[in-house]
Amino acid sequence: GEDVEQSLFLSVREGDSSVINCTYTDSSSTYLYWYKQEPGAGLQLLTYIFSNMDMKQDQRLTVLLNKKDKHLSLRIADTQTGDSAIYFCAETARSNYQLIWGAGTKLIIKP
Amino acid sequence: EAEVAQSPRYKITEKSQAVAFWCDPISGHATLYWYRQILGQGPELLVQFQDESVVDDSQLPKDRFSAERLKGVDSTLKIQPAELGDSAMYLCASSLGSGGREAFFGQGTRLTVV
Repeated sequence: GEDVEQSLFLSVREGDSSVINCTYTDSSSTYLYWYKQEPGAGLQLLTYIFSNMDMKQDQRLTVLLNKKDKHLSLRIADTQTGDSAIYFCAETARSNYQLIWGAGTKLIIKP
Repeated sequence: EAEVAQSPRYKITEKSQAVAFWCDPISGHATLYWYRQILGQGPELLVQFQDESVVDDSQLPKDRFSAERLKGVDSTLKIQPAELGDSAMYLCASSLGSGGREAFFGQGTRLTVV
């Protein structure tokens, strides 16, 4: 079945770039998403990319999609303490249009 | 800015008691989702509504969980009786269509069963 995988943790220094990676299995996904979840809060949609795109940029966020390798990444430039959160990758399953979620990557910011 | 509203934010209940959560989606959003999120994991879909109809409830433990969206707007998720393993964050989300695009989430209800 469909599956989405992410590393559980990423640690970066404040001011550096963070790159959070995700791999997925459903090659027919239409949309891929990045959500942010702060402690005790719901999920905030950060950005999404349509499957016919390679890259999408939105201010400090850059999403790269490699369809051949089924790899999605989220780059956060100039990482700030407010970026500390868990970042979830998700894809839309073509079979039923439901979201398939990764387990989340906890981004840890070091001063 | 339009938001998905959920209440309560926190709920502590004793096992075997009944508990209910409420969700009001963004106005005009036909699709409503209830997710359960266990600490350290991604969300797990419990039920999906399209207007007032259930589209998918294959992961809903129907012996104890029920969900309704009677008028196709707000929704209620009920657990009766609650078990210790039900302790989790319950998230509601809504989207314009059923294609999974841009699902917006509420703040969630943190349930603790003691």
